[in-house]
Amino acid sequence: SYVLTQPPSVSVAPGKTARITCGGDNIGIKTVHWYQQRSGQAPVLVIYYDRSRPSGIPDRFSGSSSGNTATLTISGVEAGDEADYYCLVWDSSRYYAFGTGTKVTVL
Amino acid sequence: QVQLVQSGAEVKRPGASVKVSCKASGYTFTGNYIHWVRQAPGQGLEWMGWINPNRGGTDFAPKFHGRLTMTRDTSTSTVYMQLGWLKSDDTAVYYCARDQGYGGRTPFDHWGQGTLVTVSS
Repeated sequence: SYVLTQPPSVSVAPGKTARITCGGDNIGIKTVHWYQQRSGQAPVLVIYYDRSRPSGIPDRFSGSSSGNTATLTISGVEAGDEADYYCLVWDSSRYYAFGTGTKVTVL
Repeated sequence: QVQLVQSGAEVKRPGASVKVSCKASGYTFTGNYIHWVRQAPGQGLEWMGWINPNRGGTDFAPKFHGRLTMTRDTSTSTVYMQLGWLKSDDTAVYYCARDQGYGGRTPFDHWGQGTLVTVSS
């Protein structure tokens, strides 16, 4: 199965930039989606097709992907961005894989 | 607006089976795959499988083969996920999620509220 590795936690001060990585073999040639999951809630799509934002998601959220790493960037972090974040990839062998998840803490 | 509403919490004994429903509204039911994803307490998200509400076809993650079933009722726009031979480590919140299309590279764009399944003797 396809393995996606994320850092367990990222801490960031309000107004600063948080970068969350998702590492996987040749992830740069796959399609990556990102989800935000606040405590006790269902996941919400924040980035799809590597870098597109659904309607209603602030442009502070952006995505990129190259080589073996995909990155979700949150600029101008706000207290409401505190949540767990997961990457999702279809590994082209019929199956899907979620990343291990990253807890973002706003200091 | 698109909505996925799931059935309520369940408590089951080890060895039993559980059936969770996911009722869709706000879009054409047969136009999008539905996935099931689970999350054990304090753990990450785990993809379980999908169902094509149009033809009823399914595909599952290898670890669930043999004890996972997904069905649909087009008359009520509802999909069902049944997991058998429950073990304590099946205790989790189970989510249904709509695929933006027909699987593959498309994202899961809307999620149900989740259903807690507790397996305990």
